[in-house]
Amino acid sequence: AQSVTQPDIHITVSEGASLELRCNYSYGATPYLFWYVQSPGQGLQLLLKYFSGDTLVQGIKGFEAEFKRSQSSFNLRKPSVHWSDAAEYFCAVGGSQGNLIFGKGTKLSVKP
Amino acid sequence: ETGVTQTPRHLVMGMTNKKSLKCEQHLGHNAMYWYKQSAKKPLELMFVYSLEERVENNSVPSRFSPECPNSSHLFLHLHTLQPEDSALYLCASSQDFNSYGYTFGSGTRLTVV
Repeated sequence: AQSVTQPDIHITVSEGASLELRCNYSYGATPYLFWYVQSPGQGLQLLLKYFSGDTLVQGIKGFEAEFKRSQSSFNLRKPSVHWSDAAEYFCAVGGSQGNLIFGKGTKLSVKP
Repeated sequence: ETGVTQTPRHLVMGMTNKKSLKCEQHLGHNAMYWYKQSAKKPLELMFVYSLEERVENNSVPSRFSPECPNSSHLFLHLHTLQPEDSALYLCASSQDFNSYGYTFGSGTRLTVV
């Protein structure tokens, strides 16, 4: 069965520091992979997606993610975090039935 | 403006009440979805509609009843809910079923008392 694991429930980084959020997926074929961000009281906003091609994907707000098939991973990175990046981040894989399967999310806190 | 509007933003209802959640998309999409987001659990897909026909129903209790009168509107009718149904209910749309490019609404925060 398809699944997504986000090992870190909560991460705290200092403003200006680099960030990496981990995501591992389980899927038999070539996956469609996504990262979404959710601010408090809001819906989910798409940061970036991977369908095929270049394994390093650029997204909005300065985020990027790298697809590594050998590790079944799709980690999200940002070189310098801003206080406004504090939110919850969700990794997702496109399921075989046309739906998105989400991880449990990683909450990011940013220290001044 | 996300293109997907959900109303109301907050709803408190008793277990014997009947209420409805509304979702409207202005993107010309053909597929619409209801997701349930509970604390410490992954988002759960509840219902999928493609071209106004239901294509997915993930064993959702019958106290949740979806309705899709046209490709722009999606409702979730609620009756005799339980306290464990308290959650954030998110609506999303995509160009087509299987296209994965979801746009989410801001959600309805439901509290069952």
